[in-house]
Amino acid sequence: EVQLVESGGDFVQPGGSLRLSCTASGFTFTSYTINWVRQAPGKGLEWVSYISSSSSTIYYAESVKGRFTISRDNAKNSVYLQMSSLRAEDSAVFYCARTRITADGNKYSYYLDVWGTGTTVTVSS
Amino acid sequence: SYDLTQPPSMSVSPGQTASITCSADKLGDKYVSWYQQKPGQSPVLVIYQDAKRPSGIPERFSGSNSGNTATLTISGTQAMDEADYFCQVWDDNTYWVFGGGTKLTVL
Repeated sequence: EVQLVESGGDFVQPGGSLRLSCTASGFTFTSYTINWVRQAPGKGLEWVSYISSSSSTIYYAESVKGRFTISRDNAKNSVYLQMSSLRAEDSAVFYCARTRITADGNKYSYYLDVWGTGTTVTVSS
Repeated sequence: SYDLTQPPSMSVSPGQTASITCSADKLGDKYVSWYQQKPGQSPVLVIYQDAKRPSGIPERFSGSNSGNTATLTISGTQAMDEADYFCQVWDDNTYWVFGGGTKLTVL
């Protein structure tokens, strides 16, 4: 079964740090790129970060750039999100999601076809 | 930034057709995906590349995209379709962009 499982969510004080993990199973991990997407309580989905299969390409949302670092360990089928200088507005359920890209001529479709169950980060004093 | 606009909520009677819209400038030039999220659950991909259904998604889910508006259509809506729905595109500058979501109520 294709699966992504997040872990590492916790309660942390403002200014603190936390590392989230996303472990994959049921598919060839090295063939896929992975994203982190978060959802604040009662709010919509917000894309956070992306890492390519070889870690050569990394993107961040402006809201987390300079504070969050994404990485992956292909030997462990895992992706990580190191979060620092955490703020109350970072409180959310964090999901990891697998990227798929399909093409029709020169037009590409980028979408997220497998999502994990999520891990909760709460930033509060 | 590239912004996707969805109605916050809509309601539909069981058996009727629900049409959820997603709007943005020249949206038809991009491919749109749609995700369903039920309370307490992770999002599930229901439509990709404007109109394609992943394996396991019922045929009553369909999509279209033209001009400035993409539409997710649920034909013969069932109570189990009550959920939040999010549209999503790829933008070269802001990468993965999600709409604000539409809460669909079946009553």
